[in-house]
Amino acid sequence: GAGVSQSPSNKVTEKGKDVELRCDPISGHTALYWYRQSLGQGLEFLIYFQGNSAPDKSGLPSDRFSAERTGGSVSTLTIQRTQQEDSAVYLCASSLSFDEQFFGPGTRLTVL
Amino acid sequence: GDSVTQMEGPVTLSEEAFLTINCTYTATGYPSLFWYVQYPGEGLQLLLKATKADDKGSNKGFEATYRKETTSFHLEKGSVQVSDSAVYFCALESGRRALTFGSGTRLQVQP
Repeated sequence: GAGVSQSPSNKVTEKGKDVELRCDPISGHTALYWYRQSLGQGLEFLIYFQGNSAPDKSGLPSDRFSAERTGGSVSTLTIQRTQQEDSAVYLCASSLSFDEQFFGPGTRLTVL
Repeated sequence: GDSVTQMEGPVTLSEEAFLTINCTYTATGYPSLFWYVQYPGEGLQLLLKATKADDKGSNKGFEATYRKETTSFHLEKGSVQVSDSAVYFCALESGRRALTFGSGTRLQVQP
């Protein structure tokens, strides 16, 4: 079946602009996660959605970052007023059971 | 808080050599432990996992044993192949649902 998909695969933007990154999880998966993979910080957790529960936003690095998940499926991660330190690969994962997460290919964000 | 420490790479081996990538963790309670692999140009994939002490996870010739007494989950393979060249990430999940990852170890296997 189809895996987790993310779009765009690459995004180049100018400092100060807003960007939206999209994630389509595996159909039926109730949990959805966003992570960031950067050279200086490794792989870090950003936000977690589980069903209709309030999301766990504890990993978001600043209030410029937000995410939503519509209809329990597609999720959008929004970064406002991008900074150069936001440059990273943004990974989305989904899971049915809590222990195995399936990752998408990521969106490479470059902030000039 | 939770943390994972793994050996820095790159690790360069000849084909058929024995591989060990060390991983130690700090966590509250009894976490589940994972190894993920990222092949060149591909996304992260689960390689193996162990959910309780003394469990051994295994897949594709790789093994790792959950050692509670040493808080370790070292990855081993008896005979590596060129196709094993990738970045390997140790990770844990301790009830928070999100994974805590180590920094990754790049493995390069030369023919």
